Parts: sequence; structure tokens; C-alpha cells
Amino acid sequence: DIQMTQSPSSLSASVGDRVTITCQASQDISNYLNWYQQKPGKAPKLLIYDASNLETGVPSRFSGSGSGTDFTFTISSLQPEDIATYYCQQYDNLVTFGGGTKVEIK
Amino acid sequence: QVTLRESGPALVKPTQTLTLTCTFSGFSLSTSGMCVSWIRQPPGKALEWLARIDWDDDKYYSTSLKTRLTISKDTSKNQVVLTMTNMDPVDTATYYCARTIAAAGTSDYWGQGTLVTVSS
Repeated sequence: DIQMTQSPSSLSASVGDRVTITCQASQDISNYLNWYQQKPGKAPKLLIYDASNLETGVPSRFSGSGSGTDFTFTISSLQPEDIATYYCQQYDNLVTFGGGTKVEIK
Repeated sequence: QVTLRESGPALVKPTQTLTLTCTFSGFSLSTSGMCVSWIRQPPGKALEWLARIDWDDDKYYSTSLKTRLTISKDTSKNQVVLTMTNMDPVDTATYYCARTIAAAGTSDYWGQGTLVTVSS
């Protein structure tokens, strides 16, 4: 099975800060990598698909990059409504989610 | 618009079989490329993918849970059913169903989730 290692597990940043989350796959998954946002008590929401494509309607401050085994998710300017847990997900071989990154406001 | 809703028991006893139903609207599981996935999330923990069924009736299961899971669909009723045998307290979780696009591996619409507690 493909393992997805996400880091950090949590972070605290100020409004307006640039936030970066990384996700590492245990083997090459090309760009078969999606990012989701989950707010407390809610279902996850798709933000980025195929590593770098922004889902329709998602603000442009969210972005993704990477291929192979190393991926990055960035919020260019953190907003209060971005408080959530973010998950990477590979779909190269079945599906695996990362452990999540909880983003809080400092 | 696309909607999905999970239904099933809120409480099951250890060793029992869990049966969850996902009832959806706004898309058809007979359309090429359409799939429905099940994902669960124990309280305070990460998401865990369980299974997926495709428009052509192909089925995929989590490697660690495949012996306990069965997924099926009723296209005429717009429903997908997941059964999980031999339930244990560690299976306590919120269970989600989600529409999945096969080519992109993306789950773009999710149900609200249903909390299943396993306890005697």
C-alpha cells in the first residue's frame, strides 16, 4: 500500500501569513494527488486535484505543486475562514489519505 | 444539484454486521466514469478510504479491510450499500459516502456523514 506522510500535523499562523503543508508518498504517484479541506463537523471539500489544479470556485490563494513523491500545498495569505484540517490523498493505487494538518490562527 | 445522504444504524454491537446506505441524486451511476466511494473518520482522527464502486460495477476495497467489506449498487434506486462484518469498537467513526470521478480520483461531492458507534 502507498503511505502518505503529511507534515506538519498542526500549525499556527497569523492572518495574512503564507502557509505551506507538505505531503510525501512512499512511492512515485506521478501527479495523482488531491488536497481536501475539512472544517470541524463538516465533510471534506475538494480544493486541488491532480496536484496543482484548482477546483472550480476555490479561492486562488490556495495552490498545490509537486509530482512523483513530494507535494506541497500552499495558502498564500491565510484568512480566518481557512481554519480547518487539510488532507492530501493519493489515487495512483487505490486511495490513501495523509494524516492531516490542522491549521489554526495565532 | 448533486446530493448524497448516508443512512444506517447509529449503534451496533461488537461482532455485528453494519449495513450503510448511500442515497444520491443529481447524477447517475450508470454514466461512464461515475463512482461512489465510502470513507470513514474515527473521532478526532484522519480520513480512511474504505471502498469504491464504479459505473461498470468494478469494485475496489481497502487492503486492510477487504475481507470485511462488501459494496454494491442499485442503479434504479440511486443507492450504494456498504456492509462491514464483525464490527469492533475501533470501527466507531463517521462514515461518509462521496461521488467520485474515476479518471481524476476526486471525490467532489460528499454526504454529511453518519456517526456509527460500536458498543455493547
